[in-house]
Amino acid sequence: AQSVAQPEDQVNVAEGNPLTVKCTYSVSGNPYLFWYVQYPNRGLQFLLKYITGDNLVKGSYGFEAEFNKSQTSFHLKKPSALVSDSALYFCAADYGGATNKLIFGTGTLLAVQP
Amino acid sequence: EAGVAQSPRYKIIEKRQSVAFWCNPISGHATLYWYQQILGQGPKLLIQFQNNGVVDDSQLPKDRFSAERLKGVDSTLKIQPAKLEDSAVYLCASSLGQGGNQPQHFGDGTRLSIL
Repeated sequence: AQSVAQPEDQVNVAEGNPLTVKCTYSVSGNPYLFWYVQYPNRGLQFLLKYITGDNLVKGSYGFEAEFNKSQTSFHLKKPSALVSDSALYFCAADYGGATNKLIFGTGTLLAVQP
Repeated sequence: EAGVAQSPRYKIIEKRQSVAFWCNPISGHATLYWYQQILGQGPKLLIQFQNNGVVDDSQLPKDRFSAERLKGVDSTLKIQPAKLEDSAVYLCASSLGQGGNQPQHFGDGTRLSIL
């Protein structure tokens, strides 16, 4: 079965420190990969995507993600965390062969302490 | 641009009752999606429309769930009769097209509680 895994339910980081939110995927072919963020009682907001090419992709609000094909990973990173980055982060993979059918991970709660 | 609009924001019903949710996608977006997000889980795709046609409804429990997008714009999702396990947030999303590189834009969802 195809799946996306986010091994950490919660990541805690101090403001100003770098952050990493981990994601691995088990999807056939070369799926497109996405990161979304969800604030309380809101829908998901698109952060960034990997389609092809450079393994480091840049997105909104200073976030970036590193694609590693051999490890089937797509970790979200930010060099310096802000308190306002505190939210629920979801990794997703297009499992339908570029038909925009997404399978999501279970989410990682990022808590940034001042 | 205006975002994806959903209503109502909250709904409480008793089991075996029926309920309907409404979604208005971003103008010009041909592809529309309904997701179910159970507490503590990621969203799960229920149905995907391309204009007014169904692309994928393989994960829609068709014995109780139905959805339509008659004019290729607004969409409704209905549950009849509701079960306790249907308690969840129902998210609507839209994208310009069906291409895998098109980011999906989400509404704020409808939180459904079944008593």
